[in-house]
Amino acid sequence: NAGVTQTPKFRILKIGQSMTLQCTQDMNHNYMYWYRQDPGMGLKLIYYSVGAGITDKGEVPNGYNVSRSTTEDFPLRLELAAPSQTSVYFCASSSTRGRNEQFFGPGTRLTVL
Amino acid sequence: RKEVEQDPGPFNVPEGATVAFNCTYSNSASQSFFWYRQDCRKEPKLLMSVYSSGNEDGRFTAQLNRASQYISLLIRDSKLSDSATYLCVVNEPSGGVSGAGSYQLTFGKGTKLSVIP
Repeated sequence: NAGVTQTPKFRILKIGQSMTLQCTQDMNHNYMYWYRQDPGMGLKLIYYSVGAGITDKGEVPNGYNVSRSTTEDFPLRLELAAPSQTSVYFCASSSTRGRNEQFFGPGTRLTVL
Repeated sequence: RKEVEQDPGPFNVPEGATVAFNCTYSNSASQSFFWYRQDCRKEPKLLMSVYSSGNEDGRFTAQLNRASQYISLLIRDSKLSDSATYLCVVNEPSGGVSGAGSYQLTFGKGTKLSVIP
């Protein structure tokens, strides 16, 4: 089991560019999540999904979009990158109802200049 | 908005010391509680779940007081390898279009621990 994998590990974007952060899990988890972590701050939930075809906004969804066409994949899309989106992005998954452990990917470090 | 508050730290302790982290949460509907560990530039990983009866895992003891909405983590006989940031995490109902039964984690900002030789 690879667990949760994320690509790319690092990326530098120019203002206004777009990109997709990829996330894949091989644990057959229903729940998947995207978080961002700014320096000295707690993780903030961007979007989450309770299963294929179902997504919902978290605390900080503005500027992002997601889709969940399969159980395994949960990509995060940035359409018009802004400096405020400079952060570390973590994808996570869990088995049922979020009461159980969340498993995190290694993160994507994104800089928008 | 619901909050999870932790000691700001950092905590710098010598090897062998006992160190305690405290955490409070504001959402009384919270169902589950955890301590996660995050090493520098790495992803968070579950350290232990926290139960009302209290639970222990080797040198680590976690306590929950639902009435006071307070969570603690005690580390005994600190090791150099314990140096990390410790995140208090609370699982609370999220509602939204996903409906009843959906939960999301709310993370504290973390407390950094440095164990010094």
